[in-house]
This record gives sequence, structure tokens and C-alpha cells, in this order.
Amino acid sequence: QQQVKQSPQSLIVQKGGIPIINCAYENTAFDYFPWYQQFPGKGPALLIAIRPDVSEKKEGRFTISFNKSAKQFSLHIMDSQPGDSATYFCAASKGSSNTGKLIFGQGTTLQVKP
Amino acid sequence: DTAVSQTPKYLVTQMGNDKSIKCEQNLGHDTMYWYKQDSKKFLKIMFSYNNKELIINETVPNRFSPKSPDKAHLNLHINSLELGDSAVYFCASSQTGSGLLNTEAFFGQGTRLTVV
Repeated sequence: QQQVKQSPQSLIVQKGGIPIINCAYENTAFDYFPWYQQFPGKGPALLIAIRPDVSEKKEGRFTISFNKSAKQFSLHIMDSQPGDSATYFCAASKGSSNTGKLIFGQGTTLQVKP
Repeated sequence: DTAVSQTPKYLVTQMGNDKSIKCEQNLGHDTMYWYKQDSKKFLKIMFSYNNKELIINETVPNRFSPKSPDKAHLNLHINSLELGDSAVYFCASSQTGSGLLNTEAFFGQGTRLTVV
């Protein structure tokens, strides 16, 4: 059972474009939604995270939009740069549990062309 | 100062062998994890240890045995390796705890295991 569904699988944009990656979750007990960025040969690194008490969070060029009623959240990358080319994963967890278990989406490979 | 370090980075071995991957974190976190990333880059949790106690075991074959000698270390031992075990294995850590909101999970660089 895939509890977090992510789309698209891959994305190509021109420099300066605004790629959008979408995720949908099933478990209403999830209350922590991070996005991770992974470069080839490296481990995933936290990019930005949101909790369901807010509908939007912005950090630099990265913005998460959160729709609790639709059980969906998305990542927007403003003014994308070639250095943003990486694989992006959304995830969800029960933030108030003592397990910290992250359920990941399938990942989106982003290529930003110069 | 690497936060989560795992060794080795690459591991090539023959079917049937037994191998171990080591992980150490210097963040003072109370929870450590092993995640598996398959050839399609899908990341899935395998195990989680909180203060040296196993708290998550996600239907992983019992050929995989994690060991946590202390809060800062979580090793993964794999017996009788199979071709299908080929993947990238990531160690991670975070600070959790009853009543606290979980914080960021830090991942190691990964160990690329290739079984031939």
C-alpha cells in the first residue's frame, strides 16, 4: 500500500522556470510533511518541512503548499537553477509519535536546463 | 564533522556471503534508522532503534539483523546475501520522543551494496 503518492516521476524545466511536484497522502494521522533533496551519490537532505496547521511555508526559493482537506501538498521551486537538478522526495510521518518513521513518495527527478 | 557516517561506501560481494555495514551519528539523537533505496530510487524504512531498542521492523527478511551497541551506533548485518539485496542502504538519525514533535532526520551518504 503506497501511503504517499508523488508525481511527476520526472520533470525538465528551463532555468528560471517554476517546477511543481505534487504529493498526496492517505493517512490522516500524518502530521509532519518534509521534502528531501538528493544529489547523485549522496544521502537525502531535508529541504523544507511543514506541519498541517499552516497552508504554506516558504524558505528561500522553495515553497510548500498544503491542502489538509484534499490531503495533498506540493513543492514549488521559484527561479529554478541548474544546481537544483536532483531527485526530490516528499515524505510524511506521525510527527508526534516516538518512531520518527518517514513514509516516502516515489521521488521526482528534476532537470533544470541552463 | 560528518553528522551521520556509514562505512563502507561501496560493497561488492558474492551471493551467499555475510556482510556488515556500520553507522555512527554524532548529533546526540536518540533514534537511528536503516532505509533501503532500490534501483528505482524508492526509499523504504527497514528498521528503527530508539535508545538502543528496536521499535520498527518492517517485514524485512530475518537475514537482516540490526545491532545497536549504543545510542550513537547502529550496524546492519546481512547473512546469506542474495542478488535482490543489491541496493543503496542509508543510515539516518533523528531526535524523537514521547510528547515531542519529531525533528529533521539526517541521512548518511549511503552504502551501495552489489551482490554478484
